[in-house]
Amino acid sequence: DAGVIQSPRHEVTEMGQEVTLRCKPISGHNSLFWYRQTMMRGLELLIYFNNNVPIDDSGMPEDRFSAKMPNASFSTLKIQPSEPRDSAVYFCASSQQGLNTGELFFGEGSRLTVL
Amino acid sequence: QQPVQSPQAVILREGEDAVINCSSSKALYSVHWYRQKHGEAPVFLMILLKGGEQKGHEKISASFNEKKQQSSLYLTASQLSYSGTYFCGTQGEGRNKLVFGAGTILRVKS
Repeated sequence: DAGVIQSPRHEVTEMGQEVTLRCKPISGHNSLFWYRQTMMRGLELLIYFNNNVPIDDSGMPEDRFSAKMPNASFSTLKIQPSEPRDSAVYFCASSQQGLNTGELFFGEGSRLTVL
Repeated sequence: QQPVQSPQAVILREGEDAVINCSSSKALYSVHWYRQKHGEAPVFLMILLKGGEQKGHEKISASFNEKKQQSSLYLTASQLSYSGTYFCGTQGEGRNKLVFGAGTILRVKS
């Protein structure tokens, strides 16, 4: 079975540009999570969806960040405009136990560098 | 609130044991443990649910004391493959978001 698939794996962009990160969760999983990892702040939960509905977006840093899940097999995290402090590894994870949050299956991450 | 992990880092020789602790200021529904190797994604180790249970997986086990809102991960007879960063994640009684601690770096030397 394919795991969680994220793209792009690496993205280098200039400050002010729009960045879109993509995620395909494992088929049959009904919860999807976006995490950001930096040395300073560790693994931070940005937003999570259950059955395609955003449940908690309190971790989204500011209005520059937005996330969508138009269907059960696809989600995007968009940053517009991007800033150097957004540089991080962004992980998408999925789970099949809904709000009880069972085992999280992480994608390989998207490493974002904003110059 | 982010759970607090200790120690921040530990270095072991092969065959030695280690304990990693995780504590929260909030009442917990569950504690999760993950291991992340450098440049890779976190990988699930185990979940402990409210009820004080203990779980094990070969030489890695964990306990959960819900009254103290603490969990400990026990690694016995460590192997080189155990090296990595260990994260605990906690979920409050509202069963909402899973919040991770800052991580404990474990290095096993031969």
